[in-house]
Amino acid sequence: EAQVTQNPRYLITVTGKKLTVTCSQNMNHEYMSWYRQDPGLGLRQIYYSMNVEVTDKGDVPEGYKVSRKEKRNFPLILESPSPNQTSLYFCASSHGTSGRANRDTGELFFGEGSRLTVL
Amino acid sequence: QKEVEQDPGPLSVPEGAIVSLNCTYSNSAFQYFMWYRQYSRKGPELLMYTYSSGNKEDGRFTAQVDKSSKYISLFIRDSQPSDSATYLCAMKIWEYGNKLVFGAGTILRVKS
Repeated sequence: EAQVTQNPRYLITVTGKKLTVTCSQNMNHEYMSWYRQDPGLGLRQIYYSMNVEVTDKGDVPEGYKVSRKEKRNFPLILESPSPNQTSLYFCASSHGTSGRANRDTGELFFGEGSRLTVL
Repeated sequence: QKEVEQDPGPLSVPEGAIVSLNCTYSNSAFQYFMWYRQYSRKGPELLMYTYSSGNKEDGRFTAQVDKSSKYISLFIRDSQPSDSATYLCAMKIWEYGNKLVFGAGTILRVKS
């Protein structure tokens, strides 16, 4: 079954304790991305990766790190979590980007989310 | 001002009603417009996708884009309790590849 898998689904931690949220996809997608979802603010992009070893900042990258050593995995790292990083996090993947108008929709496939609480 | 505005609701309707969900946007460069549906405790899933202005129909769902007004809509006919979810509009500029800008999402509740 084609899917994006995130772990953990739920996590409560304390300020300053490093944590990693893993993300893995089995669709051979080049593009992967992390979003956070907060009430009233919708989905905001944290980081994205166009392919292996290529990552770039999204709209809200402060306090986060990512890596893309393998095509299927794109972990999100919080080196020193703070309470303002309490949120619902989603990993997403899609086929590679292209400027051609006749490419596919570039549909994003999302994981089921990781709810993080930082005390 | 947010780039994409969407009324968060919640919107509560009786079963069988016609539902209208809307988003406005400020960036005239957006070319691709999508609606994602998100059930509780799940990730968003693509529901409808349109390019440029016009209408697109898929079963009980119709997506409408009015680029001159910078306004997009999703209509749901004969709404069902299973349609209860959060609906997120999203849009992108093709040259920016897969980067989507999302609205805040509208919570829809269909009562049986």
